[in-house]
Parts: sequence; C-alpha cells; structure tokens
Amino acid sequence: QSALTQPASVSGSPGQSITISCTGASSDIGGYNYVSWYQQHPGKAPKLMIYDVSNRPSGVSNRFSGSKSGNTASLTISGLQAEDEADYYCSSYTSSNTPHVFGTGTKVTVL
Amino acid sequence: EVELVESGGGLVQPGGSLRLSCAASGFTFSDNWMHWVRQAPGKGLVWVSHINPDGSRTAYAESVKGRFTISRDNAKNTLYLQINSLRAEDSAVYYCVKDGYFYFDDWGQGTLVSVSS
Repeated sequence: QSALTQPASVSGSPGQSITISCTGASSDIGGYNYVSWYQQHPGKAPKLMIYDVSNRPSGVSNRFSGSKSGNTASLTISGLQAEDEADYYCSSYTSSNTPHVFGTGTKVTVL
Repeated sequence: EVELVESGGGLVQPGGSLRLSCAASGFTFSDNWMHWVRQAPGKGLVWVSHINPDGSRTAYAESVKGRFTISRDNAKNTLYLQINSLRAEDSAVYYCVKDGYFYFDDWGQGTLVSVSS
C-alpha cells in the first residue's frame, strides 16, 4: 500500500485560508468515509484534528475543517495563525492487506 | 485523561531484538483496539500494527510482517511490540496509539529505536 499523496508544503499569511489536499484511490479515500487528519509540531506527538472526513474532536478549533470528493480529501485551515505552523498528515482506512495508510505529510508555513 | 507511556527503545545492533511497552491509563484499556505507528527521523508517519481488544486479532504492515509481534496484557493495561531481526530502516520513533474507530485518537510521546552497528 503506497502512501497517500500530499503536497510537500503549503504557506499562507496570518488570517488567510489554506487547503491541503490528500489524494488516494477508490480502495482507500474513495471507498470509505474514514479519513482523518493529524497535526504534528516539531519534536511532539501527532494530534488528531479531523476524523471521519469532517468531524472535529472536542477542543479542536472550528478554523479546521475537512471534506472529501472522490479519491481526494482536503483539510482547510481558515484564519491562519502562527501556532498552525506544523506538519499535517492525512490517513485513511484501506481495503488492502494493510488496513491503514498515512499521507506523505505537508509542512504548513505561516509567512 | 488518557495517558500512554512508551518505553523500551534504545540503540541496538542490526539483527538484534527489542520489546517495546506502552502503559495505558485514563480509559478502559480492555475495550479498545490499539496501534503502533512509527516515524523515521525527518520522515512521515507509517502505520505498523494493530490489535483488537482481547488480543485475538492482529495485523501488520508488509515491511514488518514476520519480524514484529504485537500483544497486550489487559490485566496490566499494557501494550507490547516485540521487534526482531532489526534493520537500519526500522530506526524510528515508535508511537503507541489508542484507536478511535478507524482513526488514531490518542498518542503517546513515543520511544526511539536506533539500529546501528
């Protein structure tokens, strides 16, 4: 099972909105509504930001939102803040013999 | 509050073995699927293995199948990962993760495994 494809980097100015894409296949993103997103600051453990495509866990800012169309999922961060600068990873359940797959990761830079 | 504390990492020679442990608290451990996820230095996240609540069902990434064994002791609220025949490419931070039903809900701080001669 290959990793899901994400852009290596995305940047934006404070207050702007950015969107990170995550492209897979019909065997993963396209076949299930089990897409999740994780934020990871340097030297820290990942943190769940979005689950089941578009649901936010308690405590996660409503500036973070998720969506899916076909084999591509997206994470949008609105009102970009300095604290949002981090690496972001998508993940999906898959029907392959490896049941879970992560994306390649995207570094978000706040200009 | 959920707490997951990994231990057992360290420096090991190629071909060696380690057993990682994860002490869980703050939730009913015996009700939850659990995972191991790893991250090589400067690289992305990679799912390694998972186990069901009673330990009867497991799955592994192709890259570790036959060398890694996941297990759990529900009486001790502890998750394990036995890693054998270690290779340089197994060097990574290994995270213990609580399952949230097809997503990774809570993460430990990780334990570093370094494979080098």
